[in-house]
Amino acid sequence: AQSVSQHNHHVILSEAASLELGCNYSYGGTVNLFWYVQYPGQHLQLLLKYFSGDPLVKGIKGFEAEFIKSKFSFNLRKPSVQWSDTAEYFCAARANSGYALNFGKGTSLLVTP
Amino acid sequence: GAGVSQSPRYKVAKRGQDVALRCDPISGHVSLFWYQQALGQGPEFLTYFQNEAQLDKSGLPSDRFFAERPEGSVSTLKIQRTQQEDSAVYLCASSLAGVNTGELFFGEGSRLTVL
Repeated sequence: AQSVSQHNHHVILSEAASLELGCNYSYGGTVNLFWYVQYPGQHLQLLLKYFSGDPLVKGIKGFEAEFIKSKFSFNLRKPSVQWSDTAEYFCAARANSGYALNFGKGTSLLVTP
Repeated sequence: GAGVSQSPRYKVAKRGQDVALRCDPISGHVSLFWYQQALGQGPEFLTYFQNEAQLDKSGLPSDRFFAERPEGSVSTLKIQRTQQEDSAVYLCASSLAGVNTGELFFGEGSRLTVL
């Protein structure tokens, strides 16, 4: 069955620390991958996406993610987090031939000053 | 506004009541999705429309759930005889194109609490 799993449910970091959030997917065939962010009280917003090409994808606000096909992974990274990065982060996947996004359970990130 | 608009933002229903949740997608967006997000979970796919056609309703949890988009723009998700396990945030998302679209634009959701 197609699924997305996120390794960490809650992460607490100090400002300026580096961030890496794990995401693994279970899909046959070509897959499109996404990271969405939900800031407190706001709607889900797209951080970045991977369809094909360079496996290192850069998104908004200094975030990047690396697609590693052999590991079925699409981990999110940021070299130095800010307090304003406090949010819920969701990894999502879609079969290239499909339309419905499947989301992971999310990772709640708290950045302390 | 320019984004996806959902109403009501909050709905409290007594068990057994019917509820209707409305979604106004971004103008011109062909695709419309409904998702259900339970507390502490990621969004779960419910149903998908391409214009007025409901192409996939495989995620609807029971026949108490019904969605429509009669004119290919506004959509309504109806839940009949609500039960406590229906308590969740219901998210609507739209995208410009059809299959293999890029970005989904989400609304802020309708939070349903069933007492």
